[in-house]
Amino acid sequence: DQQVKQNSPSLSVQEGRISILNCDYTNSMFDYFLWYKKYPAEGPTFLISISSIKDKNEDGRFTVFLNKSAKHLSLHIVPSQPGDSAVYFCAASVIQGAQKLVFGQGTRLTINP
Amino acid sequence: NAGVTQTPKFRVLKTGQSMTLLCAQDMNHEYMYWYRQDPGMGLRLIHYSVGEGTTAKGEVPDGYNVSRLKKQNFLLGLESAAPSQTSVYFCASNPPGQGLGGYTFGSGTRLTVV
Repeated sequence: DQQVKQNSPSLSVQEGRISILNCDYTNSMFDYFLWYKKYPAEGPTFLISISSIKDKNEDGRFTVFLNKSAKHLSLHIVPSQPGDSAVYFCAASVIQGAQKLVFGQGTRLTINP
Repeated sequence: NAGVTQTPKFRVLKTGQSMTLLCAQDMNHEYMYWYRQDPGMGLRLIHYSVGEGTTAKGEVPDGYNVSRLKKQNFLLGLESAAPSQTSVYFCASNPPGQGLGGYTFGSGTRLTVV
């Protein structure tokens, strides 16, 4: 049972345009959501997060939107840059307790010049 | 400040062999985790620890054991390796009480079991 799903294995976007990555979850207990970026041969690095008490969080070019009723979140990158090419993982957790992360399958984003 | 260090970075094992993966963190984080990453499946939690001397099972614990004798180290053991354990293994540490932005991953260990 996949509790966190990223249904798009890959996404190609032109440099300067907006990249939108999507993520769905099924467990209503999740109250904290994160996006990680991963380059080949490296570990995931934290990008941005959002608590379930908010519906939007912005950090520079990155914005995460949360729709609790639809159990859906999205990551917007604008403008997209070549250095943004990487695999992006959505993750969800419960802030209390051991804070275990449940990951989606990942989306490979390619930014074309 | 090295963060989270994993050793070795690469290893090839024969079926039935044993090995230990070492994770060390220098951030004084209380919580530590072992995840595995397989193609098309994201990262899945193997075992985790919420403090020195404590361990607990994650989503996919079978075939693995762990120990957390010192706060800074979290060891993952494979007693009898199987081809299904071919994967990339990531260790992470996390300081509770600071949201989850401090969750830090190592660079991974690529294990192949033949």
